[in-house]
Amino acid sequence: AQSVTQLDSHVSVSEGTPVLLRCNYSSSYSPSLFWYVQHPNKGLQLLLKYTSAATLVKGINGFEAEFKKSETSFHLTKPSAHMSDAAEYFCVVSENTGRRALTFGSGTRLQVQP
Amino acid sequence: DVKVTQSSRYLVKRTGEKVFLECVQDMDHENMFWYRQDPGLGLRLIYFSYDVKMKEKGDIPEGYSVSREKKERFSLILESASTNQTSMYLCASSLHDFNSPLHFGNGTRLTVT
Repeated sequence: AQSVTQLDSHVSVSEGTPVLLRCNYSSSYSPSLFWYVQHPNKGLQLLLKYTSAATLVKGINGFEAEFKKSETSFHLTKPSAHMSDAAEYFCVVSENTGRRALTFGSGTRLQVQP
Repeated sequence: DVKVTQSSRYLVKRTGEKVFLECVQDMDHENMFWYRQDPGLGLRLIYFSYDVKMKEKGDIPEGYSVSREKKERFSLILESASTNQTSMYLCASSLHDFNSPLHFGNGTRLTVT
């Protein structure tokens, strides 16, 4: 069975400072991992995905994430936060079993202070 | 660009009513999904479909059914709405490849009174 834990429900940073959103996963298979972002009153949008290629994955809007199998983590980072980054972020795991069974984390709300 | 359109942004229904939530995608995607989103719980999968007339239960199918008569349309049905079904409902679609990204609609916020 697969599961995903987002370690912080809320993160607050100042504009221009680094962002770190933490995600740990559990999977019986070699997983695919995703980060999605949801801006207020919008659907979710894919930020980036890991599918067993390079462990450091670059996404849109300057975000990146590193897959660490030994730590079962897939943390999302950005060097410098922008006001427009304020949103909710979801870490997602897929076990690649042929059935499209995604598991979403509970989400991390990112606040960016001016 | 893929567009997933949910027919209603806000809905208010009474307990016991039959409720239809409609979702249409314009990119010929094989897979379609219905999720509900509740604070602190993330997204939970209600039902999904791999093809026309095919459906599979997700994690929380109780009280819901679905219909997929055409490839582009996936309907979620609440047979008899209850107050604990008050939530945000999100539709998504994707290609058949399980590594392809999900494309989401903007959601329907349903309130059952």
